[in-house]
Amino acid sequence: ELKVEQNPLFLSMQEGKNYTIYCNYSTTSDRLYWYRQDPGKSLESLFVLLSNGAVKQEGRLMASLDTKARLSTLHITAAVHDLSATYFCAVDLVGTYKYIFGTGTRLKVLA
Amino acid sequence: DAGVTQSPTHLIKTRGQQVTLRCSPKSGHDTVSWYQQALGQGPQFIFQYYEEEERQRGNFPDRFSGHQFPNYSSELNVNALLLGDSALYLCASSHVRGGELFFGEGSRLTVL
Repeated sequence: ELKVEQNPLFLSMQEGKNYTIYCNYSTTSDRLYWYRQDPGKSLESLFVLLSNGAVKQEGRLMASLDTKARLSTLHITAAVHDLSATYFCAVDLVGTYKYIFGTGTRLKVLA
Repeated sequence: DAGVTQSPTHLIKTRGQQVTLRCSPKSGHDTVSWYQQALGQGPQFIFQYYEEEERQRGNFPDRFSGHQFPNYSSELNVNALLLGDSALYLCASSHVRGGELFFGEGSRLTVL
């Protein structure tokens, strides 16, 4: 069974700092997605990574995918308070129709 | 362009009751998936519907059932509710060819 692990689970950081969230998965997949979830809200799509070496950037967030290492990263540059949320990675399990979500990283950016 | 819409947004039931949740997919999408998200956890796959049939199912008991209609909308039914069924139920739509899931706002179910 595919496992998707994120670390850290909780992250408290100062505004203006940089940090990276890691997403490891345990089986072959070349499609990975990052979502953001605000408290009590649904999931907002951030990035779709469809091949090895894919890199996507939007504002202060940059995501990358290394399918050989089974690793994706979400890098935060110069964090601002509005980035406070829970971030999930999800892997599209090959040969199935389901996503497997990671455990989530709860990010809090302190002013 | 309407996104994924779900109803109701919140509901409270008691143990043993039955509940039906509804979902309309994003325009142009023909596939609907349902996920359960317990508090503080990631979403868990319940099942996916395409062409009015259940295409795949996750590790959920038969108390969880669904339906897809010819207009691609879908329902999730849960029978004999347990306290542990309390969660946010998310509907997601996509195209049959796969790719990105688009999620609705969810239905928050509380079982007392």
